[in-house]
Amino acid sequence: GQNIDQPTEMTATEGAIVQINCTYQTSGFNGLFWYQQHAGEAPTFLSYNVLDGLEEKGRFSSFLSRSKGYSYLLLKELQMKDSASYLCAVSLNNAGNMLTFGGGTRLMVKP
Amino acid sequence: ETGVTQTPRHLVMGMTNKKSLKCEQHLGHNAMYWYKQSAKKPLELMFVYNFKEQTENNSVPSRFSPECPNSSHLFLHLHTLQPEDSALYLCASSQETAGVNEQFFGPGTRLTVL
Repeated sequence: GQNIDQPTEMTATEGAIVQINCTYQTSGFNGLFWYQQHAGEAPTFLSYNVLDGLEEKGRFSSFLSRSKGYSYLLLKELQMKDSASYLCAVSLNNAGNMLTFGGGTRLMVKP
Repeated sequence: ETGVTQTPRHLVMGMTNKKSLKCEQHLGHNAMYWYKQSAKKPLELMFVYNFKEQTENNSVPSRFSPECPNSSHLFLHLHTLQPEDSALYLCASSQETAGVNEQFFGPGTRLTVL
């Protein structure tokens, strides 16, 4: 079976840095996605990693280690609007379109 | 309209009813998906369509029946559902090419089965 683990909840302070971890054990691997989902809204794409290393995109960065089955999402200079759920998803197949999601991490940013 | 739209946004139905969920994408994509999001459970892939052909059925019960008449429209036909089928049903689309195939999600249909 497929197993993707993330912490259920995290709390951080406005202006701080937070790291959300994701570990995976899957039958295939064709890349790892991070999505953001505000309550009551659709998930929106944040980042994609297929090679080891760090991908930086503004205040958000995502890291992947394929040998360790590990990724993290790093959010810098936290803002109140960053309060949301962050979903880690692994693409299983060569077509890249069969995503298996983790349970999501609900991040609460406090003043 | 832009992006991915879904109708209705909310639906309440009895176990003997038949209803359909509709999804439309205005992005020119060639792949569409249905996902189920239940409380306290991960987002679950249900069906995948590439170029209008169903390529994945993730062990979904037959009371859920997808239909993809063209690359812009996707339906999920529902009949004799169970209360445990109450969930948020999300539609997504993507352009299948080599490289990153980011999926764009619609706002979802909140389904309640009584």
